[in-house]
Amino acid sequence: DAKTTQPPSMDCAEGRAANLPCNHSTISGNEYVYWYRQIHSQGPQYIIHGLKNNETNEMASLIITEDRKSSTLILPHATLRDTAVYYCIAYFGNEKLTFGTGTRLTIIP
Amino acid sequence: ETGVTQSPTHLIKTRGQQVTLRCSSQSGHNTVSWYQQALGQGPQFIFQYYREEENGRGNFPPRFSGLQFPNYSSELNVNALELDDSALYLCASSLPTQETQYFGPGTRLLVL
Repeated sequence: DAKTTQPPSMDCAEGRAANLPCNHSTISGNEYVYWYRQIHSQGPQYIIHGLKNNETNEMASLIITEDRKSSTLILPHATLRDTAVYYCIAYFGNEKLTFGTGTRLTIIP
Repeated sequence: ETGVTQSPTHLIKTRGQQVTLRCSSQSGHNTVSWYQQALGQGPQFIFQYYREEENGRGNFPPRFSGLQFPNYSSELNVNALELDDSALYLCASSLPTQETQYFGPGTRLLVL
């Protein structure tokens, strides 16, 4: 699995868009970019994933650069409930997920 | 659709004891993965079960073992508990044809 790099922490004002970056310069062509989040002491929650194209669902948008070496998770209108640790994972197939230390996002009222 | 459930939610054991943690997969999911999450760390892969067989294992000693049942539920057994086994144990289920793993709420184990 490719290693991903994320900033350890970020703050975002409530109601603003939260943009969480992730670098995955060694990602292989068949690895997806997956995002999970973990609210304090709960199980990780799946957010979104993509391969090449940008993706959007009811929770977030995922922007993947054309060279696939980095991506950005966008929470369009952050709320206090979005405070969590966000994990970016390069992942192929139904195998193990390799979690890093993630980004601790704090939404400021 | 029922999500992934785990039991118990919390557990306290003493060093040297044995523990069994249980997981019921999401409806229709026949692959179950177990992860250990120490305080302040990301989850670490223990092993995965598919069709009642172990289908991949992380860097954990043999005293960590598992089972999967015909209804796809699963157990994680840990023998000879050590203090460092204190962690949140997570179960995730998925379909073999889809990559996305869905996690349960976890079991928090404290070893004294």
